[in-house]
Amino acid sequence: ETGVTQTPRHLVMGMTNKKSLKCEQHLGHNAMYWYKQSAKKPLELMFVYNFKEQTENNSVPSRFSPECPNSSHLFLHLHTLQPEDSALYLCASSQEGAGDDWGDTQYFGPGTRLTVL
Amino acid sequence: AQKITQTQPGMFVQEKEAVTLDCTYDTSDQSYGLFWYKQPSSGEMIFLIYQGSYDEQNATEGRYSLNFQKARKSANLVISASQLGDSAMYFCAMREVNTGNQFYFGTGTSLTVIP
Repeated sequence: ETGVTQTPRHLVMGMTNKKSLKCEQHLGHNAMYWYKQSAKKPLELMFVYNFKEQTENNSVPSRFSPECPNSSHLFLHLHTLQPEDSALYLCASSQEGAGDDWGDTQYFGPGTRLTVL
Repeated sequence: AQKITQTQPGMFVQEKEAVTLDCTYDTSDQSYGLFWYKQPSSGEMIFLIYQGSYDEQNATEGRYSLNFQKARKSANLVISASQLGDSAMYFCAMREVNTGNQFYFGTGTSLTVIP
């Protein structure tokens, strides 16, 4: 496997279900990100992990719970979601999350298309 | 205020022609990076090209070039010799030195290449 992988690629869940999204990066990067992409909206940054420590949480509802057990893996645990949470969830990684490296490029996975019924 | 503005929701280009996708940005930082990504219908965001705020020359990567006009705060993407596989959404993004890991994305431009 190369680059950034995400599983599952598609997920349909009811509002009372609990599910998890998984992201794995094979690039040796130290920072990982979760984004939400809804139709006709800019990408929304949800969470950032730098060297396994969470450094950003952009006012995301508590029904989304991230987990980063090591610098290669990132999870997004979902519970009691709402229909408006239906979106494409993208994971990304970058070499290092240092704030002064404005050229640090993010590389994205293929995304998980989530539908909440 | 929007950090990144892409004013063209949809663009069409004839195969083998060049096309310019517009992007303007808003920042008070002196140090920042500008990025373009391509998103095919499969969903993956593919990194295309990067321009640093201190780079004096426009960035180029194969058929992609970035027309960087710092005073106008614009970072337009030029695709030369368009191919059918270039049909996709294109996103402009910016990272500022003072906002850590935050990437700001535009709303995207949908490009359709016509045979």
